[in-house]
Amino acid sequence: GENVEQHPSTLSVQEGDSAVIKCTYSDSASNYFPWYKQELGKRPQLIIDIRSNVGEKKDQRIAVTLNKTAKHFSLHITETQPEDSAVYFCAASSGNTGNQFYFGTGTSLTVIP
Amino acid sequence: GAVVSQHPSWVICKSGTSVKIECRSLDFQATTMFWYRQFPKQSLMLMATSNEGSKATYEQGVEKDKFLINHASLTLSTLTVTSAHPEDSSFYICSAPMYQETQYFGPGTRLLVL
Repeated sequence: GENVEQHPSTLSVQEGDSAVIKCTYSDSASNYFPWYKQELGKRPQLIIDIRSNVGEKKDQRIAVTLNKTAKHFSLHITETQPEDSAVYFCAASSGNTGNQFYFGTGTSLTVIP
Repeated sequence: GAVVSQHPSWVICKSGTSVKIECRSLDFQATTMFWYRQFPKQSLMLMATSNEGSKATYEQGVEKDKFLINHASLTLSTLTVTSAHPEDSSFYICSAPMYQETQYFGPGTRLLVL
């Protein structure tokens, strides 16, 4: 089955700096890669996703890059703000409705004011 | 965005009792839903795939007789933790896919077994 690894497990940045979180996956059939943000005690919220036919996607301060050959994808947050502090999870899926998501281990991001 | 609800949000029970958790898609139909378990400061672990009108598919290592799943309609899946024990205490979250692969999560149910 799919194995998703995520690094780092914790990340602290100064407000205004950038944060980068990296994930690797093992199953070459995976073609959908979402990123979720989870605040303490709350549900994961989708913040951005990318499909395997695209190398990069950007949404305001958030961007995701995908290297399908190397089987890794990254989340980039620029101009970080204290409200960006949360746990971020990457996931991989084969992309069809009903197919399972396999999550990375999570990155706890702290943005220091 | 799509709304997925869970009930109850909190449950405390005695060891040996069974607990039922409901997951509902409120504004869309879901032939498939997923159940996850999350321990403090850890990732979401997929437990099983709930399929409307058929048996659930369990991940390796998850006891199907312990975690009963029923997907009786296109908007409701239930997870029953049978004969709960303290080690079953956890945060249980469901999700449902909409628009192909996008998954929407319920708010989670925190279970504490005494």
